Amino acid sequence: KAGVTQTPRYLIKTRGQQVTLSCSPISGHRSVSWYQQTPGQGLQFLFEYFSETQRNKGNFPGRFSGRQFSNSRSEMNVSTLELGDSALYLCASSLNDGVAKNIQYFGAGTRLSVL
Amino acid sequence: QQQVKQSPQSLIVQKGGISIINCAYENTAFDYFPWYQQFPGKGPALLIAIRPDVSEKKEGRFTISFNKSAKQFSLHIMDSQPGDSATYFCAAVTSGTYKYIFGTGTRLKVLA
Repeated sequence: KAGVTQTPRYLIKTRGQQVTLSCSPISGHRSVSWYQQTPGQGLQFLFEYFSETQRNKGNFPGRFSGRQFSNSRSEMNVSTLELGDSALYLCASSLNDGVAKNIQYFGAGTRLSVL
Repeated sequence: QQQVKQSPQSLIVQKGGISIINCAYENTAFDYFPWYQQFPGKGPALLIAIRPDVSEKKEGRFTISFNKSAKQFSLHIMDSQPGDSATYFCAAVTSGTYKYIFGTGTRLKVLA
């Protein structure tokens, strides 16, 4: 089985621009979670989608949004980029079938640099 | 109450030594405690996990010790190897919320 795939791997943007990141979960996984990783802050939870519905949301401003498609692929969008948005954005997928362990499998991330 | 506090921030251990990373939580609703290992340029990968109905779980050189009354859990890496050099994250999960709360990470360096 292919793992979690995130594209692009690297991205450079300037302040004020917007960006869209993509995540393809492991086949059969219906839950996709997004995290922001910065040095010293660890992994900060952004949001989680299940069957195209946002089920959980972290404490990030409304500039951060996401969606999930019928094939479970997910996108994350950040509008009006700020310098502080520079980070590694990680996507994780899990089965969430209510029976199996709720194990999250991570992609390699998208490194976003805002200049 | 949703936080997971992880220490130390960084750790240097000699090859063959024991690496110990600690985490503490407050929310008693957490019922699943995984540890993730992350190498540079890679996403975190599940290393080992424990549920609060056991006090210890061992997988090879990796052991989780869990103290439910103190609301603390720790990762022990026995016979640490240079290949163990990575960043380690503890996490806490409440069944049904599907939301992971991660610690801030510990950067481990094992000297050859």
